[in-house]
Amino acid sequence: AQSVTQPDIHITVSEGASLELRCNYSYGATPYLFWYVQSPGQGLQLLLKYFSGDTLVQGIKGFEAEFKRSQSSFNLRKPSVHWSDAAEYFCAVGARAGNNRKLIWGLGTSLAVNP
Amino acid sequence: EPEVTQTPSHQVTQMGQEVILRCVPISNHLYFYWYRQILGQKVEFLVSFYNNEISEKSEIFDDQFSVERPDGSNFTLKIRSTKLEDSAMYFCASSEGVSGTQETQYFGPGTRLLVL
Repeated sequence: AQSVTQPDIHITVSEGASLELRCNYSYGATPYLFWYVQSPGQGLQLLLKYFSGDTLVQGIKGFEAEFKRSQSSFNLRKPSVHWSDAAEYFCAVGARAGNNRKLIWGLGTSLAVNP
Repeated sequence: EPEVTQTPSHQVTQMGQEVILRCVPISNHLYFYWYRQILGQKVEFLVSFYNNEISEKSEIFDDQFSVERPDGSNFTLKIRSTKLEDSAMYFCASSEGVSGTQETQYFGPGTRLLVL
């Protein structure tokens, strides 16, 4: 079955520290993978995406993610976290059937940043 | 930068009432979607729409739900007779196409629906 797992429900880091948010997926074909961020009271903003090619993808706000097929993972990283990064982070896989498309989501990881 | 917009941002309704949630997708996008997120749960796919018809719908999208593109810009989700369990954040999204990076879905800010 197609699914996305984000093992960490909540993470707290200190400002300036590095960050890694985990994402594992289950999908039968080559996955299209996404990270979205939801700040309090805001919608879902696309951080980055992987379709093909270089397995290390760069996104907005200094985020990057690495696709590892052998581990079925697409972990999100940032070398130095800013207080404004506090938000909910969602990993999603694009499910495809013919011309039909939908995103299958993880439960999300809530990030808190200590000053 | 073009963005998806949704109205209203919040809607409170009584059980059994009809609600219409509105979305304006990005103007050159051809594929439209509705998702919902019940508090504390995963974001769930409801329906996708292309060329004025439903492409795919989930099990959640029963006869109480309908979607429409009434004009060239709006995309609406109607819930005919709301239930308590319809309380959720509803997100509209759009994508340019269904090939490669065109599949990227861009989301609106959501409508928080509360059914009393």
